[in-house]
Amino acid sequence: KAGVTQTPRYLIKTRGQQVTLSCSPISGHRSVSWYQQTPGQGLQFLFEYFSETQRNKGNFPGRFSGRQFSNSRSEMNVSTLELGDSALYLCASSQGHEGQPQHFGDGTRLSIL
Amino acid sequence: QKEVEQNSGPLSVPEGAIASLNCTYSDRGSQSFFWYRQYSGKSPELIMSIYSNGDKEDGRFTAQLNKASQYVSLLIRDSQPSDSATYLCAVNTRDDKIIFGKGTRLHILP
Repeated sequence: KAGVTQTPRYLIKTRGQQVTLSCSPISGHRSVSWYQQTPGQGLQFLFEYFSETQRNKGNFPGRFSGRQFSNSRSEMNVSTLELGDSALYLCASSQGHEGQPQHFGDGTRLSIL
Repeated sequence: QKEVEQNSGPLSVPEGAIASLNCTYSDRGSQSFFWYRQYSGKSPELIMSIYSNGDKEDGRFTAQLNKASQYVSLLIRDSQPSDSATYLCAVNTRDDKIIFGKGTRLHILP
């Protein structure tokens, strides 16, 4: 069974640009969550999508947005990039039922110049 | 603010010894608990799930849960250098959000 696939693996952008990251969950998983990981802050929850609807949201500004498609694939968009957005962005999928563990992709490392 | 607390470490343990990693959480209604291992430069990997009070064993790993004390721990027996990593505790809160601790860095000394 294929795992969670994130593309691209690496991205370099400049301030003010926007970026779109993609995540394909494990087959049969309907929930996709996005996290930002930095050395100082650890894993911070961005949002979760389930059946094409945002089910939970963290405390990030509106520049961070996402969506989920009917095949459960998800995209995350960050607009007006700032230097502080440099981080590892991780996607995790689960079946979506309470108590089910999440499985992570390899992440997208975003660097802002 | 619901929280999950872990000692950041590093925790240094001699090879072959037992490594003990601890985690406390604030939401008393939490029902599901997970331990992830993250190697440097890699993504977190699920190693244990635990849902009820007591111990759960899987190979060299034992997860322990005490809901009354709001405490979950991970024991690694016969520690190997390959166990050197950051271990993340994650808690599924009563409103179905998963909150991660900041992780404990474990260093197994050869």
